[in-house]
Amino acid sequence: QVRLQESGPGLVQPSETLSLTCTVSGDSISSSLYYWVWIRQPPGKALEWIGSVYYSESAFYNPSLKSRVTISVDTSKNQLSLKLTSVTAADTAVYYCATGAYGSGSYYPPGYWGQGSLVTVSS
Amino acid sequence: EIVLTQSPATLSLSPGERATLSCRASQSISTYLAWYQQKPGQAPRLLIYDASNRLTGIPARFSGSGSGTDFTLTISSLEPEDFAVYYCQQRSNWPTFGQGTKVEIK
Repeated sequence: QVRLQESGPGLVQPSETLSLTCTVSGDSISSSLYYWVWIRQPPGKALEWIGSVYYSESAFYNPSLKSRVTISVDTSKNQLSLKLTSVTAADTAVYYCATGAYGSGSYYPPGYWGQGSLVTVSS
Repeated sequence: EIVLTQSPATLSLSPGERATLSCRASQSISTYLAWYQQKPGQAPRLLIYDASNRLTGIPARFSGSGSGTDFTLTISSLEPEDFAVYYCQQRSNWPTFGQGTKVEIK
């Protein structure tokens, strides 16, 4: 069973860069069976898909965040990372990494999630 | 962007009752719809994918139906652990989520 654990600063200054890491265990992040995704949830609000990556392809980003987001994979550490630049209070949220099955050209909904990491943007 | 509208926002029911949750898409998404359950302080849990396929280990009281733009999640008989927020999510286009339906104890 795949397990995911997010880590990173819980407080980020406005206009700075939010950086989070997701450590994957139980399977290889290079596996052709999975894709990897970051999803966030502002306090008391709904979920928002930030972006996703499949090991052999470029990452895909939410059009509303595309200019500020970078998702990358470190296969040597079996980690997924998220960078979000120029943050504002609107970026305050619980950030989840998750993974879903990939097969026959389809990206199935994520069935494995990390516990989430609360990031607050404030001075 | 495909907008998913969930209704009602809140459903107040008693244990043992039947819950019917709706998710409507702003355009046709075939059957590319999933349902998640989220409890306070926890990550969402995937229940159903592609409208009606229940994940292994999900109780049979959870069922999904629908296609095109109208979808339903039914919980046939509510158990105490089912009181939570439920989200729908589409993968027909860029993935989006609905705003959620809270199922609360009446």
